[in-house]
Amino acid sequence: EAQVTQNPRYLITVTGKKLTVTCSQNMNHEYMSWYRQDPGLGLRQIYYSMNVEVTDKGDVPEGYKVSRKEKRNFPLILESPSPNQTSLYFCASRGRDRPNEKLFFGSGTQLSVL
Amino acid sequence: QKEVEQNSGPLSVPEGAIASLNCTYSDRGSQSFFWYRQYSGKSPELIMSIYSNGDKEDGRFTAQLNKASQYVSLLIRDSQPSDSATYLCAVNHNNNDMRFGAGTRLTVKP
Repeated sequence: EAQVTQNPRYLITVTGKKLTVTCSQNMNHEYMSWYRQDPGLGLRQIYYSMNVEVTDKGDVPEGYKVSRKEKRNFPLILESPSPNQTSLYFCASRGRDRPNEKLFFGSGTQLSVL
Repeated sequence: QKEVEQNSGPLSVPEGAIASLNCTYSDRGSQSFFWYRQYSGKSPELIMSIYSNGDKEDGRFTAQLNKASQYVSLLIRDSQPSDSATYLCAVNHNNNDMRFGAGTRLTVKP
């Protein structure tokens, strides 16, 4: 089954404790992206990647890191989480040369930073 | 100015009525436009995509695009309580990423 898998689904942590949210897709997609969703603000892009070892900042990259060492994986790293990073996070993917195709979304990660 | 703007609602319609959702965008070079439906706490799911001016129909859903006015809309005919969700307008920006509006919350009352 074609899917984007995110883990964990829920995460509660404390300020400053490094964490990683994993994202993996099994569709051989080149393009992968991370979004955060906050009430009234819709989905805002954090980082995206057009292919292995190629990453770019989105609209709200501050406080986040990503890596793309393998095509299928695109982890989101919070080196020193802060309460303003409490949000619902989504990973998404699609084929690189298919901007007219839909995004495939993971099931989301609800992060709370205390 | 936000790149993709939607009325946040909430929009409330009675069951069986037509729900009309609107979206404007700022980048004239945008080529593809999408409507996603999102239930609370769930991931967005694609409802409609549209690339050319005019109307595109799929079952009870009709997407309308007017590039000159930078306007895209979604009509839901014969609205059902199960249509109650947040509807996200998305615009393909620069072929590299998708920009989303803040979403319109729709409630269909039985």
